[in-house]
Amino acid sequence: DADVTQTPRNRITKTGKRIMLECSQTKGHDRMYWYRQDPGLGLRLIYYSFDVKDINKGEISDGYSVSRQAQAKFSLSLESAIPNQTALYFCATSDPDGSGNTIYFGEGSWLTVV
Amino acid sequence: DAKTTQPNSMESNEEEPVHLPCNHSTISGTDYIHWYRQLPSQGPEYVIHGLTSNVNNRMASLAIAEDRKSSTLILHRATLRDAAVYYCILRLSSGNTPLVFGKGTRLSVIA
Repeated sequence: DADVTQTPRNRITKTGKRIMLECSQTKGHDRMYWYRQDPGLGLRLIYYSFDVKDINKGEISDGYSVSRQAQAKFSLSLESAIPNQTALYFCATSDPDGSGNTIYFGEGSWLTVV
Repeated sequence: DAKTTQPNSMESNEEEPVHLPCNHSTISGTDYIHWYRQLPSQGPEYVIHGLTSNVNNRMASLAIAEDRKSSTLILHRATLRDAAVYYCILRLSSGNTPLVFGKGTRLSVIA
């Protein structure tokens, strides 16, 4: 089983609909992240959380919200999806280890907004 | 965050060594050099990291310049499965900043 699990893996939704992407991890890490990747581009950070009570905006947080329900769970919501939010979304986790900490990624969730 | 510069793409023949360069002239003394790679249709995965000394692991070697302003990821024998985008990223030792990805180097491996 994967250490970082994302659901759904693929979703097509209509413009204006609310959609939630869920992430759960079994690594026991405190830190969790949501990234977005557009075709041919690198990953961009949407939101991150360093513990259950901590939520921080990344570079492209507009149009998104998150919820850290527990140490192991971090969900990303698009309140009113729009076509330019069509992308591949990655959840990731990490824990500080004194060397910048290794980050572990999920397999990604493809979201298409039509 | 200190920036890194990598070539957009590189090509290698299968079974040959590959040297992927990264420039990071503004690196600070507390920055670790991390490398990740992203295989097609997958999330990025950790490859290797180092601070000052060269590092080896089962996946690759990391050669760090003496002044730390550049580094090279070395794949000793490229295979088709090594075709991926390779990202060079600087990280504070505390890890208190999120991972910031550049565009990386797209490595193509020719059979």
